[in-house]
Amino acid sequence: KNEVEQSPQNLTAQEGEFITINCSYSVGISALHWLQQHPGGGIVSLFMLSSGKKKHGRLIATINIQEKHSSLHITASHPRDSAVYICAVGVFAGEYGNKLVFGAGTILRVKS
Amino acid sequence: EAQVTQNPRYLITVTGKKLTVTCSQNMNHEYMSWYRQDPGLGLRQIYYSMNVEVTDKGDVPEGYKVSRKEKRNFPLILESPSPNQTSLYFCASAPRSSYNSPLHFGNGTRLTVT
Repeated sequence: KNEVEQSPQNLTAQEGEFITINCSYSVGISALHWLQQHPGGGIVSLFMLSSGKKKHGRLIATINIQEKHSSLHITASHPRDSAVYICAVGVFAGEYGNKLVFGAGTILRVKS
Repeated sequence: EAQVTQNPRYLITVTGKKLTVTCSQNMNHEYMSWYRQDPGLGLRQIYYSMNVEVTDKGDVPEGYKVSRKEKRNFPLILESPSPNQTSLYFCASAPRSSYNSPLHFGNGTRLTVT
């Protein structure tokens, strides 16, 4: 079983729809990151969470530490939101600190 | 402009020919790391550095070397590249020696080893 599981793997939405991407993890973490990767490859950090909820524009990220689960929500989705969304968790790795473990990613396509 | 700069963006080389992919950040970040991304396998960590002269292996370190002689630079060295190292590579940095801080990624280096 992977340490970080994302769902769904693929998601197609109509412009304007509310979108939810889920991330579950099975290990103790220091923080959870949501990343966005557009076609062409560049990776952008959207959120870093260790508790609660964060909002940036139309994006909302939540984390439930007890349930080991995080969600990324996109309100009023737009074709420019089409990208791969990747969940990553910081895992304690001994005296030198943390390593990062990634989910497989969710491919989102928003149609106009 | 605050950024992580990787060079080159694209590199085609032959098996066994030593190469270095450079990574530099101008944000005075303590933490730097290298990842490779492969279809079906996603992103995997190669090496990371908590600060100058402090480096440690990630999940897939075989065939790679790194050094952190200065805070801003974290080069990835392939002493004898092989075709299974064909991949998309990313460098990233973070302010503190922990993953409790946002990550900043370079634009990636697409490496092909023939």
